[in-house]
Amino acid sequence: AQSVTQPDIHITVSEGASLELRCNYSYGATPYLFWYVQSPGQGLQLLLKYFSGDTLVQGIKGFEAEFKRSQSSFNLRKPSVHWSDAAEYFCAVGDAGGTSYGKLTFGQGTILTVHP
Amino acid sequence: KAGVTQTPRYLIKTRGQQVTLSCSPISGHRSVSWYQQTPGQGLQFLFEYFSETQRNKGNFPGRFSGRQFSNSRSEMNVSTLELGDSALYLCASSRGMNTEAFFGQGTRLTVV
Repeated sequence: AQSVTQPDIHITVSEGASLELRCNYSYGATPYLFWYVQSPGQGLQLLLKYFSGDTLVQGIKGFEAEFKRSQSSFNLRKPSVHWSDAAEYFCAVGDAGGTSYGKLTFGQGTILTVHP
Repeated sequence: KAGVTQTPRYLIKTRGQQVTLSCSPISGHRSVSWYQQTPGQGLQFLFEYFSETQRNKGNFPGRFSGRQFSNSRSEMNVSTLELGDSALYLCASSRGMNTEAFFGQGTRLTVV
């Protein structure tokens, strides 16, 4: 069964500092990988996705993520964090085996706090 | 282009009642999936539909059910509500297999 681990429950950074959120997955083949962001009481917004090809993917709001097959990781990065980036971030893996239309397995989330 | 629309946004029900939540997908999207989000269990997959057929189901009791209509709109139903069913229920839509999913704002269900 596929699984996703986000080792950091809570991360605090200063505004303007760089950010890296970690994500490790377990999947039998090359997965589909996603990062979503959620503000309190809201739904999930898709930041970026990886299906195949270039292992460094660009997303919205200045985020990027790198797929590393050897490490089973898909870490999210941003060079300079803004106060508005404070939210909860979820890494997710999709079923690339051709049996699912939208089923995602999520990590437990990482809460990002940004200090001024 | 309108996003995924979930109604109602908030709901308070009494234990033992039943509830129906609605989800309208993005125009042109034919797949709808449902998730339950709680502080303790995180985001858990409930079920997914494509072309009015349930394609996958998560590990939830039979009290949780759903359906999809010919216009791709979907409803989920929870019968005999329990206090533990209090959660944010999220709906997501996608064009189909191997495409990204977009989420609605969710329905906050409180069972008292």
